[in-house]
Amino acid sequence: DARVTQTPRHKVTEMGQEVTMRCQPILGHNTVFWYRQTMMQGLELLAYFRNRAPLDDSGMPKDRFSAEMPDATLATLKIQPSEPRDSAVYFCASGWLAGGQETQYFGPGTRLLVL
Amino acid sequence: AQSVTQPDIHITVSEGASLELRCNYSYGATPYLFWYVQSPGQGLQLLLKYFSGDTLVQGIKGFEAEFKRSQSSFNLRKPSVHWSDAAEYFCVARGVGGYNKLIFGAGTRLAVHP
Repeated sequence: DARVTQTPRHKVTEMGQEVTMRCQPILGHNTVFWYRQTMMQGLELLAYFRNRAPLDDSGMPKDRFSAEMPDATLATLKIQPSEPRDSAVYFCASGWLAGGQETQYFGPGTRLLVL
Repeated sequence: AQSVTQPDIHITVSEGASLELRCNYSYGATPYLFWYVQSPGQGLQLLLKYFSGDTLVQGIKGFEAEFKRSQSSFNLRKPSVHWSDAAEYFCVARGVGGYNKLIFGAGTRLAVHP
């Protein structure tokens, strides 16, 4: 049963610290997404990769957030420096885009608390 | 503008009762449609999806959804609810082709009484 995995599952840190979240997409998938979920905003798309290339990061605060895919099995989302308003659950999702159709499969999320 | 509306923020049903969660979409053309479920502290799990073809779609956990083009709806149903179905349910749409963002409904939180 292939799944998207994310680490860490929980992270508590202090304001100003760097936070790195990792995602292992489902093997063979060619699209990767990062989302942020908060009570106020719901689910927001932060970044989108296809074949490891970043195609859309318009939803991501550029000054402190960065997303990369060093290889096909790893996607990272980094916050530096972190702020209390970054506290949220961060989800990674992966999918296979073919023929215009795509289904996204979500990981369990990283619950981030910035104090 | 593209949007997905779930009119019911919160629904409570008794265990064993039938369930219908409503979803309406507003798109220029018929989008791809999905239902996801999120249990507390968990990620989103795909229940079912509609791309084309048969308008009655079967999913996991005994759920089904019916696409009605004339009503721009994609309602989720289950004939008999189990206590483990208590969760939040998201109706999601995606434009056809290429890169299209998922458009999420606000979610419906389902509570199940014993």
